Amino acid sequence: DAGITQSPRYKITETGRQVTLMCHQTWSHSYMFWYRQDLGHGLRLIYYSAAADITDKGEVPDGYVVSRSKTENFPLTLESATRSQTSVYFCASSDPVGGNNQPQHFGDGTRLSIL
Amino acid sequence: QQPVQSPQAVILREGEDAVINCSSSKALYSVHWYRQKHGEAPVFLMILLKGGEQKGHEKISASFNEKKQQSSLYLTASQLSYSGTYFCGTPEGPSNTGKLIFGQGTTLQVKP
Repeated sequence: DAGITQSPRYKITETGRQVTLMCHQTWSHSYMFWYRQDLGHGLRLIYYSAAADITDKGEVPDGYVVSRSKTENFPLTLESATRSQTSVYFCASSDPVGGNNQPQHFGDGTRLSIL
Repeated sequence: QQPVQSPQAVILREGEDAVINCSSSKALYSVHWYRQKHGEAPVFLMILLKGGEQKGHEKISASFNEKKQQSSLYLTASQLSYSGTYFCGTPEGPSNTGKLIFGQGTTLQVKP
């Protein structure tokens, strides 16, 4: 089915571990985004990608790494997880045709707990 | 800079109306509105473009006043299904990057 999927849906890990969150979309949207959502902060942009092999930092990029070798995939890696990275992570995509006037489509999120 | 939403939270009875505001200290080029139900992903409701255009979705409408740098979301005759958190999102600038800056959200609870 067409859409945007994230995996895993839930993850518990320990501080210092590396963890990768996956995001896959079937629309061939060029624009993809990673957000974290914490109480009182709304959705904050971690990283952005305009196309394959083009990524850019967002508002809160520290401690995160992204890659985008294929248009449909945009994984987010926490290189050495910290408790402050416990959050709900959302991946989103949008069609570049129409630029800022296109809606963003969100995945179901990954609930990450770091102990 | 993050747009500011008000109120932070609102509780309604079914059938009542509500208004959620989104203000920015920077120029607004357009305003997106999303709704997120508890435990789910945000879902796009509508986009407001320059020109003060009003749009509608179900019994939810919105306005955009670029001079005042604000948008308002109007929920008329609220239904239980309207409960959730509403976010406004604005482009960070005039360049077409697709990037949005979201407000902190307004939590709406509709009671029977």
